[in-house]
Parts: sequence; structure tokens; C-alpha cells
Amino acid sequence: QSVLTQSPSASGTPGQRVTISCSGSNSNIGSTTVSWYQQLPGTAPKLLIYNSNQRPSGVPDRFSGSKFGTSASLAVSELQSEDEADYYCAAWDDSLTGWVFGGGTKLTVL
Amino acid sequence: EVQLVESGGGLVQPGGSLRLSCAASGFTFSGYEMNWVRQAPGKGLEWVSYISTSDRTVYYADSVKGRFTISRDNAKNSLYLQMNSLRVEDTAVYHCVRGGILDYWGQGTLVTVSS
Repeated sequence: QSVLTQSPSASGTPGQRVTISCSGSNSNIGSTTVSWYQQLPGTAPKLLIYNSNQRPSGVPDRFSGSKFGTSASLAVSELQSEDEADYYCAAWDDSLTGWVFGGGTKLTVL
Repeated sequence: EVQLVESGGGLVQPGGSLRLSCAASGFTFSGYEMNWVRQAPGKGLEWVSYISTSDRTVYYADSVKGRFTISRDNAKNSLYLQMNSLRVEDTAVYHCVRGGILDYWGQGTLVTVSS
């Protein structure tokens, strides 16, 4: 059971916009920033969003993040087949004194 | 280019020990906090441990506390994870991960705990 809650799956057709949500609590998302990671099959996770809404250099602006209260979301616009991957949210938890992750959302491009 | 290369994984019996290493390059290792994050086969990500730049501060997940020890050698640009009293549920790919935002991940080393 993950500390952060994500829907296990999401899907969309090419060109669509998809949103993935992440729910936490006051000890994690509610008190700090959120990061999002993309994991393509057979590869290591890659940082997609940090500080809740910042993109590292090289990440397309089709990916955007937001946070409100104890929840966060990742939006993927202009969906492409190459976006098919697992997506994880993460945040530092002050009560557990460690990073906590969501269980992951498998994004399928139909 | 930032590179993190893990080594030291393998097959070990329950109750056994392993020491993982992570060789860092392409950045000033001593200036970054570091973490270990693991992923069991077919499962999600689980944070394991954190170490500050000077190794004065370390944190562990409850699932490994008292059994695992994180350390670093800034002179050798290396991160370590000593794993003792290994359990079947410790079976996973272990990733070395940089920084306070987990911005760069190594490809990982597989640890299999089985009799």
C-alpha cells in the first residue's frame, strides 16, 4: 500500500490530453513540493516534473504539473505513442522522514 | 554527462549480506545528497535510504531500518549500501539516485534473495 495514491491506469488517443492524479496528506504533498517520474518499459525512471510544476531541461512542454492542497496532478497534452509508460508521483514525507511514492499509473495510448 | 553506475547485486540466501556500490561521474558528487530507491519485480518504486552531502545525516525506510547501512566516500565519488539480514521481500532492482529532487537515476543492480 503506497503512501501516495494514484489511479493504476489511464488512457487516451493520440493528440488527446490526459491527466494523472496523485493524492497524499499534510505530511507530504500538503507541506512540500511534488515530483513526477516517467518509466519507459525496461528503463530507469526519469524526472519529468520537480517543484510541483517545473520541467527539467529537455522535457517537452506537453508535460505539466500542478499541486493544490494535498493533491497533485500531471497533465500530458498532445498525447503521443511514445508517452506510453508508467508514471509515478513522489514527495518528501516529514512524518516518515523519507521519500514516498505513488503506486504508479500505467498510461496507455490507444 | 551525469552517470550513476550501480554494482554488487546478485543472488543471496535469506539472512545473507550484500554490499552495493554506485560510481558517480559527470558532476561534483560531494555537493549532492544521495539516495537508494528500489523496485521489486513488476512493482512500484520504494525509497530505501538517504544520505546528506557530508554523511552526517542518514535516513532509512522502516522496512530496512536496522538491517541496511548507507555510506559514501566523496574522495572516490562513490555511494554504498550495506545490506544485512536480507529477506525474500528485499528482492528488487536497487537504483542509486541523485539529490534532493531525485533528478538522476542509475540503471540499477538486481538483488535476488532466495534459497
